[in-house]
Amino acid sequence: DAGVTQSPTHLIKTRGQQVTLRCSPISGHKSVSWYQQVLGQGPQFIFQYYEKEERGRGNFPDRFSARQFPNYSSELNVNALLLGDSALYLCASSLGQGAETQYFGPGTRLLVL
Amino acid sequence: GESVGLHLPTLSVQEGDNSIINCAYSNSASDYFIWYKQESGKGPQFIIDIRSNMDKRQGQRVTVLLNKTVKHLSLQIAATQPGDSAVYFCAENMGRNDMRFGAGTRLTVKP
Repeated sequence: DAGVTQSPTHLIKTRGQQVTLRCSPISGHKSVSWYQQVLGQGPQFIFQYYEKEERGRGNFPDRFSARQFPNYSSELNVNALLLGDSALYLCASSLGQGAETQYFGPGTRLLVL
Repeated sequence: GESVGLHLPTLSVQEGDNSIINCAYSNSASDYFIWYKQESGKGPQFIIDIRSNMDKRQGQRVTVLLNKTVKHLSLQIAATQPGDSAVYFCAENMGRNDMRFGAGTRLTVKP
């Protein structure tokens, strides 16, 4: 079975631009969470979506938004990119929305110049 | 705010020895904890989890211990191998679907 997949693997943008990152969860998983991992730190929670609705949000500005589609895949959008948005963006999927194991994808490496 | 932390940022062990990675947490309401392994350039990989109604759980070569009295979590790796070299994170369920990660411990296994 395929694990969590993310695209693209790498991305270079300039300040002020917008970016869309994509995630496909493990088959059968209905929950997708997004995390930002800055180099040398642990992942920071951004969003969780379950059954196409936002179920949790971390301490990130409104420039960050996401959505989940009927097939449970998800997109993370970041507007007005800042240099500090450079990070590894991780997607994790789980069966439900509660305290369950989250399985991570390989991430998208975003560099903002 | 309450957060997960790690006692040691780096750990170096000899191949074949046992490794112990520690983690302190301060949210007494956390009910679920996970250990992840992250290799360079990859996403975190699930190792083992434990719920707050347990104090020990064993997997293949790994054991997680939970001490709720002192809010301490540890990961024990038996017979450490070079392939175990990675950064290890503990994460706690903060509720509201927010998994909070520590900063990580880098484990280096010397041949």
